[in-house]
Amino acid sequence: GAVVSQHPSRVICKSGTSVKIECRSLDFQATTMFWYRQFPKQSLMLMATSNEGSKATYEQGVEKDKFLINHASLTLSTLTVTSAHPEDSSFYICSARTGGIYEQYFGPGTRLTVT
Amino acid sequence: DAKTTQPPSMDCAEGRAANLPCNHSTISGNEYVYWYRQIHSQGPQYIIHGLKNNETNEMASLIITEDRKSSTLILPHATLRDTAVYYCIVRALYNNNDMRFGAGTRLTVKP
Repeated sequence: GAVVSQHPSRVICKSGTSVKIECRSLDFQATTMFWYRQFPKQSLMLMATSNEGSKATYEQGVEKDKFLINHASLTLSTLTVTSAHPEDSSFYICSARTGGIYEQYFGPGTRLTVT
Repeated sequence: DAKTTQPPSMDCAEGRAANLPCNHSTISGNEYVYWYRQIHSQGPQYIIHGLKNNETNEMASLIITEDRKSSTLILPHATLRDTAVYYCIVRALYNNNDMRFGAGTRLTVKP
C-alpha cells in the first residue's frame, strides 16, 4: 500500500520558537494533502487541506498565519507552527491522496511538545 | 457524508472474534463504509471498505446489512495488538473532501 512518512516523529521546542513538520508521500504523487491535529483522548480534527501548487484551505478557527502550510511538490508538504505556545502541544498527522483515486493514506504522526 | 454512531468502548478476549458495530441509518446510495483504526500515538490505519456486499481481507471482514443502515467490522481472532480506536466513516467514493473522523470505538483486547 501507499506510504506516507512524517518527520520528525517527536519534537520538543521552547515557547516562541517555530517548528517545521514534513510530510512525504514515498511511493505515489499526492495531489492533495491534509493536516490534522489530535489532542489527548480526542478524535482527529482537520486543520487544512492543501493542493499541490496552490494555497492551503484552512478550517474555521485555524489561524493561517500561525500554521503555515506549503505543498510545493507532489511528494512533500510542510506544516510550520510559528511562535509556538504550550497550547499548540498536540499530535499532528498528515494524510495524502492521489488525484483520481480518493483513498486517503495517513502518516505516523508528529508529537509536538512546547515548553 | 452520512453520520455514524459507534459504541464508545468495547472489550474482547484475546483469540476471540471482535465484532464492532456501526450505525449509519442516513447512508445514501453512493456512499461507502470505511473502517480505520488508530493504535495509540500512531496515525490512522486503513482496514477495509465496502458498498453493499460483505468484504474480507487479511485484516478483517466487513458485514453490511441488506438495508445498508448498519455494518459490523469483524476481527476474527483478536490479539493484544488489535487494541486501538476503531473509526467507522461513511462517504462517497469520489468525495473530494477529507475523511471525517468521529469519536470511534475504543477496543481493548484482554489476555
